[in-house]
Amino acid sequence: QKEVEQDPGPLSVPEGAIVSLNCTYSNSAFQYFMWYRQYSRKGPELLMYTYSSGNKEDGRFTAQVDKSSKYISLFIRDSQPSDSATYLCAMSEAGGYQKVTFGIGTKLQVIP
Amino acid sequence: SAVISQKPSRDICQRGTSLTIQCQVDSQVTMMFWYRQQPGQSLTLIATANQGSEATYESGFVIDKFPISRPNLTFSTLTVSNMSPEDSSIYLCSVEVTGDDTQYFGPGTRLTVL
Repeated sequence: QKEVEQDPGPLSVPEGAIVSLNCTYSNSAFQYFMWYRQYSRKGPELLMYTYSSGNKEDGRFTAQVDKSSKYISLFIRDSQPSDSATYLCAMSEAGGYQKVTFGIGTKLQVIP
Repeated sequence: SAVISQKPSRDICQRGTSLTIQCQVDSQVTMMFWYRQQPGQSLTLIATANQGSEATYESGFVIDKFPISRPNLTFSTLTVSNMSPEDSSIYLCSVEVTGDDTQYFGPGTRLTVL
């Protein structure tokens, strides 16, 4: 079993839809949770960084962590064609980026 | 913030040869990383490039196969040695900006080994 499980998709949604992207994990020591967006032929860019359980909102993006269920989510409201990308979840036991475990990424396509 | 450039952006190489990938950052950074992203697999850390000392390699990666140099705080190279088709992958340079608490990635080097 992988430490971090993420459905690779692809996930296709119409423009304006609410998108829900999810990851599950097995390591209960994970404390820091990240979401990255990766456009085709580009490097990943950090979208959200959260610590422990709870919600964090940034514009149209909301990150949610449920440590009791070992489940994290990224919600995108009012999705746009420019949101079409691969979204990687990632997590670590300690702060910083030296020991980060990534999910495989979910490919999202927002249809105009 | 940090802007990272990588050279080459892509290459096609023959089995048994070596390729050196360069990573240049527009500001001085302490933490610099090299990742591999293979098709259908998650992003995997190869090593942390340490300025002035040997790189710290992750399990499954060895210095003989992936020698790394870090001569200063803005530049690093990763060499993929004695390549085989299994080394075909995207190789990404990344930095952590202290104070910014953010990780930045370069655009990647797409390597194909025939």
